Amino acid sequence: DTEVTQTPKHLVMGMTNKKSLKCEQHMGHRAMYWYKQKAKKPPELMFVYSYEKLSINESVPSRFSPECPNSSLLNLHLHALQPEDSALYLCASSPQGQGIYEQYFGPGTRLTVT
Amino acid sequence: AQSVTQLGSHVSVSEGALVLLRCNYSSSVPPYLFWYVQYPNQGLQLLLKYTSAATLVKGINGFEAEFKKSETSFHLTKPSAHMSDAAEYFCAVETGANSKLTFGKGITLSVRP
Repeated sequence: DTEVTQTPKHLVMGMTNKKSLKCEQHMGHRAMYWYKQKAKKPPELMFVYSYEKLSINESVPSRFSPECPNSSLLNLHLHALQPEDSALYLCASSPQGQGIYEQYFGPGTRLTVT
Repeated sequence: AQSVTQLGSHVSVSEGALVLLRCNYSSSVPPYLFWYVQYPNQGLQLLLKYTSAATLVKGINGFEAEFKKSETSFHLTKPSAHMSDAAEYFCAVETGANSKLTFGKGITLSVRP
């Protein structure tokens, strides 16, 4: 299995809702990432987990809350989002250790905040 | 700080023509460079990566890139464009621990029949 899966594919939520995005990989990768991507823009890194511990938080607002329950699973909990948070949310994973490794991306969740 | 620059936002070529997408890097140390492709409504897919083993790197789908230290460049080429190559292309450089990437702004490739 060489893919990263993300659910749901699409999500529409109001500003008062609480929802979660899910990401899963079974490649044995120990680094997992969340990115936000606006249309016609490059992905912007939000969070990095390394060995299930949060290692990078790119000053993301607290209405985004990441969670890494185990080495295969990464969640992003959403609460009280703003319309400007509407974007494609991408998950990625990468091996850790010696060497230079690429990131493997999932297909993304298209989020619309109304 | 390490960064990459992709000049222009859009390249249009005819089917069968050469594809050339430019990427220049800025780095005080040997960089690790990547090209990713993103098809509409999809995630990013790795085309190729440079890790200093060889300056000419071959990737998937007939793409290749040459690392030129003297020009601080890592341009992506394909000898003959296919309609299915129409997509967004991102150059990226590894900029820290945990394989953290910094992306260029991307360039849209259109292929005319």
